[in-house]
Amino acid sequence: DAGITQSPRHKVTETGTPVTLRCHQTENHRYMYWYRQDPGHGLRLIHYSYGVKDTDKGEVSDGYSVSRSKTEDFLLTLESATSSQTSVYFCAISESGRGNSPLHFGNGTRLTVT
Amino acid sequence: GDSVTQMEGPVTLSEEAFLTINCTYTATGYPSLFWYVQYPGEGLQLLLKATKADDKGSNKGFEATYRKETTSFHLEKGSVQVSDSAVYFCALVPNAGGTSYGKLTFGQGTILTVHP
Repeated sequence: DAGITQSPRHKVTETGTPVTLRCHQTENHRYMYWYRQDPGHGLRLIHYSYGVKDTDKGEVSDGYSVSRSKTEDFLLTLESATSSQTSVYFCAISESGRGNSPLHFGNGTRLTVT
Repeated sequence: GDSVTQMEGPVTLSEEAFLTINCTYTATGYPSLFWYVQYPGEGLQLLLKATKADDKGSNKGFEATYRKETTSFHLEKGSVQVSDSAVYFCALVPNAGGTSYGKLTFGQGTILTVHP
């Protein structure tokens, strides 16, 4: 298994509070991604990173920010959580940004916003 | 934009039955195509992939052929087992071989349940 650790694994928070999810990898891969999984939608890309301090928006980036100060860590922040952000969040990594290079996923963080 | 459409689920089969999960896509250029599997409580795992037209990906008895003429990548297995119960996702990355930053576009997922 690819060395990807997501923390926390579960979190319950209240509307309006800030939340930070962490993804840590031990593979030294350049590319990292945050996806959210919702029933009927599959997985949708929130943000991705193609190097330290290099990040860009994905399909559903509103309400989220990211940071990558080290190769191994990619943080996802919900500045002010809303109930629509209740979801399962997955981090993924890839060795190269080429289209034929598969992504490896962490085990996810289940976030509930009450 | 790019999109992936999977057959509606859930799919319920008896052990040793034949499995087909349909997947069609819309993309510009020549995407790479993937099937991922998610077991309960876990992240997604790559099941198989194909990077050009007529390629066949295969793994663990599962197969899928990249059909450009029908823009399809249907997943098949000749004899399913209880242990195959999971959620299956079809996905694409545009411009195979190019710098797409590896961004996957997923279908909505198909839940497969196999009974003994």
